Amino acid sequence: GENVEQHPSTLSVQEGDSAVIKCTYSDSASNYFPWYKQELGKGPQLIIDIRSNVGEKKDQRIAVTLNKTAKHFSLHITETQPEDSAVYFCAAKTSGTYKYIFGTGTRLKVLA
Amino acid sequence: EAQVTQNPRYLITVTGKKLTVTCSQNMNHEYMSWYRQDPGLGLRQIYYSMNVEVTDKGDVPEGYKVSRKEKRNFPLILESPSPNQTSLYFCASSPTGFTGYTFGSGTRLTVV
Repeated sequence: GENVEQHPSTLSVQEGDSAVIKCTYSDSASNYFPWYKQELGKGPQLIIDIRSNVGEKKDQRIAVTLNKTAKHFSLHITETQPEDSAVYFCAAKTSGTYKYIFGTGTRLKVLA
Repeated sequence: EAQVTQNPRYLITVTGKKLTVTCSQNMNHEYMSWYRQDPGLGLRQIYYSMNVEVTDKGDVPEGYKVSRKEKRNFPLILESPSPNQTSLYFCASSPTGFTGYTFGSGTRLTVV
């Protein structure tokens, strides 16, 4: 069945450094790739998304890149701050369906 | 404030005792969905609804029921809960199902 692999499962960076989280999807018909940030005790919050007709999207300190040939997409956070510490989830949606497959999450710790 | 509201936030129940987790959104979204979150497994889709009276199974529907009688409400029903349904549950909504979700704050369910 469809699958989304997410790496790494945990990531620690120094404040001010960059963080990169990678996801690989199995269904080549996937066409929408959102990223969510989940803080302790809260529901996931959409932070950025990308569609399959775009290779890169940026929003201030965060960016997402998509490589359709390799079937992977990545979240890039620059100039990390302590408030970026959270669990991040990637997801993929298959074209023509309403089904989303989520990755297993990455716990990011930004060390002050 | 635009939001998805779930109740209750915490629930402890016994095996076999029927329960309902309510979900309501105030954004006039067409699409709503239920997920469960378990350590190491990420978010898995239980059921989703594309509109009033239209629902479909996600990846883990066994043991759950849903209904969508009104656009704003999407309750999750466990007719006979079992311990393997102990989990953190999230309701989410989206304008069309083809864009990112707004998640609720979650319901932590324990079945003993």
